[in-house]
Amino acid sequence: DAKTTQPNSMESNEEEPVHLPCNHSTISGTDYIHWYRQLPSQGPEYVIHGLTSNVNNRMASLAIAEDRKSSTLILHRATLRDAAVYYCILRDGNQGGKLIFGQGTELSVKP
Amino acid sequence: DAEITQSPRHKITETGRQVTLACHQTWNHNNMFWYRQDLGHGLRLIHYSYGVQDTNKGEVSDGYSVSRSNTEDLPLTLESAASSQTSVYFCASSDIGNTEAFFGQGTRLTVV
Repeated sequence: DAKTTQPNSMESNEEEPVHLPCNHSTISGTDYIHWYRQLPSQGPEYVIHGLTSNVNNRMASLAIAEDRKSSTLILHRATLRDAAVYYCILRDGNQGGKLIFGQGTELSVKP
Repeated sequence: DAEITQSPRHKITETGRQVTLACHQTWNHNNMFWYRQDLGHGLRLIHYSYGVQDTNKGEVSDGYSVSRSNTEDLPLTLESAASSQTSVYFCASSDIGNTEAFFGQGTRLTVV
């Protein structure tokens, strides 16, 4: 399973944009890049995913490098409710199956 | 609304006992997964299933088993509970293809 590398923690101020980086230098051509987040005392929840092109949804944007060896999750205006652990995961598109979690980035948001 | 539910939410059991944690989803998803999360750590995959009668071992499968007799349920059994299996357990499901996975609220298991 391809691995990802994320910073252990990041801080942000409320209402400012947040850029969460992820390195995945061993990504294969069929791997999709998924992002999940886990709020305190809850199960993980889906944020966004993409293959090659940048993606936007109501929660966030995903910017994928041209060589696909890194990506960035962008929260456009952080709120206190965005404080969570964010996981960047590579998921085999052929199987559409298992998600292997790394350690993630713990995001704290200051008022 | 479709959902995924885990039961019980909390359980305390004794070392050596067999324990079964339930996971039920109403999305009719083919893929189901069990994870454990120890305090301060990420999730680790225990077992997963891609359909009825299909089960596969994950990263940390020793001491655990699953069975998939229908689409909706994937119960996780601890054959002989050990203190090292004290953890929070999460169940998840997803459709085939690269769609989002939905997670349950977790079961907090304490083995004493």
